[in-house]
Amino acid sequence: GDSVTQMEGPVTLSEEAFLTINCTYTATGYPSLFWYVQYPGEGLQLLLKATKADDKGSNKGFEATYRKETTSFHLEKGSVQVSDSAVYFCALRPGGSYIPTFGRGTSLIVHP
Amino acid sequence: DTGVSQNPRHKITKRGQNVTFRCDPISEHNRLYWYRQTLGQGPEFLTYFQNEAQLEKSRLLSDRFSAERPKGSFSTLEIQRTEQGDSAMYLCAGGLAGSTDTQYFGPGTRLTVL
Repeated sequence: GDSVTQMEGPVTLSEEAFLTINCTYTATGYPSLFWYVQYPGEGLQLLLKATKADDKGSNKGFEATYRKETTSFHLEKGSVQVSDSAVYFCALRPGGSYIPTFGRGTSLIVHP
Repeated sequence: DTGVSQNPRHKITKRGQNVTFRCDPISEHNRLYWYRQTLGQGPEFLTYFQNEAQLEKSRLLSDRFSAERPKGSFSTLEIQRTEQGDSAMYLCAGGLAGSTDTQYFGPGTRLTVL
């Protein structure tokens, strides 16, 4: 079945450091790919998405590129802030389905 | 704030008791999803409604679980004869028809079964 694998956390960075959170997936066909973020005490929010190979999703300084050849969708940000501290979830949605499959989440802690 | 509310936010119950959770999406959300999230895991799909019709259920949704969405507005998730393994965060999300990708999550209800 479909699955999403994320790097384990927590990822601990200093403010203004470069962030990469790795995500790889297994799916048949051509899924859409997503990153969700969950800030402390809040519900999950869609951060960015990409619907086909080589698409780049971006939002709030975060970017991720849909790489079909490596089945990856790594999340990057050039300069993190303390306010980016949260749990980040990679997810896929198979074509023709409304139901996403989520990874386990990666906690990011950014120190001043 | 996504506009989706869930009540209660926390529920502690004894094994064998029944519990019911409520989700209130915004009025435009004709789709509504329930997920379960355990510690260190991502959300796992349980069931989904379009308006009042329950269109899909996961194998995770045992016979002890039932969900309703009367009148296509709020939804309830009931767990009968709770077990310790039911302890988890139960998430609700609303969505719009024609926007398959955007789901608006509520803050969740944390269930602890003693």
